[in-house]
Amino acid sequence: ETGVTQTPRHLVMGMTNKKSLKCEQHLGHNAMYWYKQSAKKPLELMFVYSLEERVENNSVPSRFSPECPNSSHLFLHLHTLQPEDSALYLCASRDRGRKVDTEAFFGQGTRLTVV
Amino acid sequence: SQQGEEDPQALSIQEGENATMNCSYKTSINNLQWYRQNSGRGLVHLILIRSNEREKHSGRLRVTLDTSKKSSSLLITASRAADTASYFCATDDSGTYKYIFGTGTRLKVLA
Repeated sequence: ETGVTQTPRHLVMGMTNKKSLKCEQHLGHNAMYWYKQSAKKPLELMFVYSLEERVENNSVPSRFSPECPNSSHLFLHLHTLQPEDSALYLCASRDRGRKVDTEAFFGQGTRLTVV
Repeated sequence: SQQGEEDPQALSIQEGENATMNCSYKTSINNLQWYRQNSGRGLVHLILIRSNEREKHSGRLRVTLDTSKKSSSLLITASRAADTASYFCATDDSGTYKYIFGTGTRLKVLA
C-alpha cells in the first residue's frame, strides 16, 4: 500500500465512450502526475499538477483531459479514444519544492483497453 | 523526450548471481532515484542517490553515480527469484516539473 489509490483497476471502453480515471492521495504531497505505459515502451509523462495547477502538458492529445479539483485528487477524463490508447495509466504523487529530495509514490495503475 | 536510457533492456540470470543495470541521463541533476515495477503494477521506490554522493547501499542494493559521465548503476547482489521485475531510474528535468523515467531493464532471475 503506497498511499496512492487509483480506480478503476481495469477498464474496457469503446471508442465513443466517455470515462474517467481517478487518483487519490492523502500523503500531503503537492505534486501529482499522470503517466502512460504501453507494452514494451518506457513510461511517458502526460501531465503534472503542482498545487492544483497544471504545470506540464507533454503534448498529449486533447482526447485526454486532466482535472485536479484539490491537492488530494486527480482525474483523467477520456473521450473518443483510439485502440492505441490502450495501456497502463499510472498516477504518482510526490513532494516537490518543500524538500530537496523527494520520491514518487505510485498507484497500482488502471489497465485501459479501448475496443 | 526520455531523460534516462538504461541498459541492458533485458537481463536473465541465475539465482544467487549479481545483476547490474546502468542508467544514463542528459541534464544536470540534484539526485537520481531507482524504482522497481512488478509486471503490470505501480512502481516502488528503491533508493535515492544525491549528486554529491558517489555510492550508496541499501540491503542487497548498491547504487553508484558518476556525474561526469551522467550515469548511474544499480547492483543487486545475491539475486533471488523474487527480484524478477523491471527496474527504472528517474530524474527531475532541470528547470521544469517533469519527472522523467528511463527506459527500464527487465530482470529475470531463474530459480
